Amino acid sequence: DADVTQTPRNRITKTGKRIMLECSQTKGHDRMYWYRQDPGLGLQLIYYSFDVKDINKGEISDGYSVSRQAQAKFSLSLESAIPNQTALYFCATSSDSTAGYTFGSGTRLTVV
Amino acid sequence: KNEVEQSPQNLTAQEGEFITINCSYSVGISALHWLQQHPGGGIVSLFMLSSGKKKHGRLIATINIQEKHSSLHITASHPRDSAVYICAVRRGSQGNLIFGKGTKLSVKP
Repeated sequence: DADVTQTPRNRITKTGKRIMLECSQTKGHDRMYWYRQDPGLGLQLIYYSFDVKDINKGEISDGYSVSRQAQAKFSLSLESAIPNQTALYFCATSSDSTAGYTFGSGTRLTVV
Repeated sequence: KNEVEQSPQNLTAQEGEFITINCSYSVGISALHWLQQHPGGGIVSLFMLSSGKKKHGRLIATINIQEKHSSLHITASHPRDSAVYICAVRRGSQGNLIFGKGTKLSVKP
């Protein structure tokens, strides 16, 4: 099993629908992150969490919300999906500020 | 101006060639990461460095803190090295990563 698992891998949804992307990890890392990748752009940070009771907005949090259900689980929600949220979404984990990152395989989301 | 700039944006090489990808940044950092994104989309961490040089197999990463520049070298390149290589920097000791746009490498047999 992968260290960081994202579900679903691919999703097509309609404008206005609520959708949740899930991330679970077996690394035992405290820090979890959600990133968005658009063609031709670097990854952009949506939200991050340094422990279960800690949630922080990233650069592009508008239109998104998150939930840290447990140390191992960090979900990203789009409350009312819009077409410009079509992108590749990555979850990542790290143990602390000096450590490397482990990425999930990504979720390709298309909003029509 | 982007805080992390990579060059070139695209690179095509013949199998066996020595490859260099460059990363320049404009902010103070505590660490620099090199990542590899496979054609299927998955991202793998290659290196994290804050000074000097690291080597793993055919890959070598160097950083010059004074010049705010890092290079990723691939020796004896192979078609399986074809991927997007991403540079990311951590600003400060607790900062989050800032990513470059990536360099798309294609190695032809």
